Amino acid sequence: GEDVEQSLFLSVREGDSSVINCTYTDSSSTYLYWYKQEPGAGLQLLTYIFSNMDMKQDQRLTVLLNKKDKHLSLRIADTQTGDSAIYFCAEILSYNTDKLIFGTGTRLQVFP
Amino acid sequence: DAGVTQSPTHLIKTRGQQVTLRCSPKSGHDTVSWYQQALGQGPQFIFQYYEEEERQRGNFPDRFSGHQFPNYSSELNVNALLLGDSALYLCASSLIDRNTEAFFGQGTRLTVV
Repeated sequence: GEDVEQSLFLSVREGDSSVINCTYTDSSSTYLYWYKQEPGAGLQLLTYIFSNMDMKQDQRLTVLLNKKDKHLSLRIADTQTGDSAIYFCAEILSYNTDKLIFGTGTRLQVFP
Repeated sequence: DAGVTQSPTHLIKTRGQQVTLRCSPKSGHDTVSWYQQALGQGPQFIFQYYEEEERQRGNFPDRFSGHQFPNYSSELNVNALLLGDSALYLCASSLIDRNTEAFFGQGTRLTVV
């Protein structure tokens, strides 16, 4: 199947780390992505990881991939109020590289 | 370098009408994909265009059609609008040989009343 699942909501205090989780069902995933969507806006590509990698770090962002459990996570260090947004996990499958398959999104709320 | 641009930003239409949405890809990109994002949902793939042809289509009815022009820009047309077509329509552009890096526009918010 082509299911990508995320928890709906996460609330963190400013300065803490945030961890947003995603699970997918198709083992044919080749690339896995994290997109950010602010209110009324389009999608901003944050980072992506190839399926043969376990971890990718980019400044405050760390992506972890557990292929065995089909689990992807995004850790945001030192979370700021500007990080408040909806975060989407997405995948591209090896047998269909034309489309992104998105999860339902996780709303991150950062409070002072 | 202009990113992906979409027009209009907002649109209100009546049931049964037709609508055309427009997208200009990021400079240098040759492939355009369209997604529908209903409220509270993740984007759903509608179709992708390359070399002025539809490469692949998602699970959307024939009321949804598209076009790509020689300058790589694209249109999404929806006929016989239904209330359920109300959504944010997102355009993404990429290079055909690097389809894994897609950049999205700000979207067009379509409301059908």
